[in-house]
Amino acid sequence: GAVVSQHPSWVICKSGTSVKIECRSLDFQATTMFWYRQFPKQSLMLMATSNEGSKATYEQGVEKDKFLINHASLTLSTLTVTSAHPEDSSFYICSASPVAGGPGADTQYFGPGTRLTVL
Amino acid sequence: AQTVTQSQPEMSVQEAETVTLSCTYDTSESDYYLFWYKQPPSRQMILVIRQEAYKQQNATENRFSVNFQKAAKSFSLKISDSQLGDAAMYFCAYRKEGMRFGAGTRLTVKP
Repeated sequence: GAVVSQHPSWVICKSGTSVKIECRSLDFQATTMFWYRQFPKQSLMLMATSNEGSKATYEQGVEKDKFLINHASLTLSTLTVTSAHPEDSSFYICSASPVAGGPGADTQYFGPGTRLTVL
Repeated sequence: AQTVTQSQPEMSVQEAETVTLSCTYDTSESDYYLFWYKQPPSRQMILVIRQEAYKQQNATENRFSVNFQKAAKSFSLKISDSQLGDAAMYFCAYRKEGMRFGAGTRLTVKP
C-alpha cells in the first residue's frame, strides 16, 4: 500500500515552453501533497505544499508564478513549470500523506520522480 | 527554522558488519517526527524508519534501529548485518509540514 506515481518519468522540452507533471496517490487519499526538487548530488529541497481545494503554500525563494500547483482532488496534484529555462532542469519529486487520522498519516510517501531537461 | 545536519558525506561498511549514520537537528518544537529515508540509484525515496519525538523508546525495523537522544537533538541510524542492497544515499528528515532533509550520507557496502 501507500503507492505514489508520477507522470511523466522524464521529459525534455525547449526553453520557453511549459511542462506539466502529475502526482497521484494510487491507493489512498491525500489531503496534502508536497513537491520537492533535487539537483544532482544534492538533497531534496521542499518547494511547496499542495492542499486539496486550496492554494498551494510555497517555500521562500520559490516563484509561485513559475511553478504552478493545482490539487484538484484527493488523489491528484499537478506541478506546471511555466516558461521553462535550462536552470529549471532538475529532478522533481512529489510526496503525499494519507488523510489525517488514518494509518500512516504522519508519514510521507514519495513518487518515483520526474527528470526535467530544458534545452 | 528547523535544520537537519548530516556530518558524514560518505560512509563505508563491510558486508555483515554494523554501521551508524549520524544526524542532528534543530527545533523549538516539543512534539515532532523524524525519519530516515533511503535513496538508491533509481532515486526512489524509500522510508527506512520513523520516530515520534514523544516516544522515549527507540524505533526498530528489522536490521535498522535508531538512537534518539531528544535532549541532544540527535537521531542516528544503525544498520546491523549490512547487506549489499543497503548501499544507497541515506537522508535524515524532520517533518514540519513538508520534510526538511539533511544533506545525505552515501553508504557503500563492501563485499
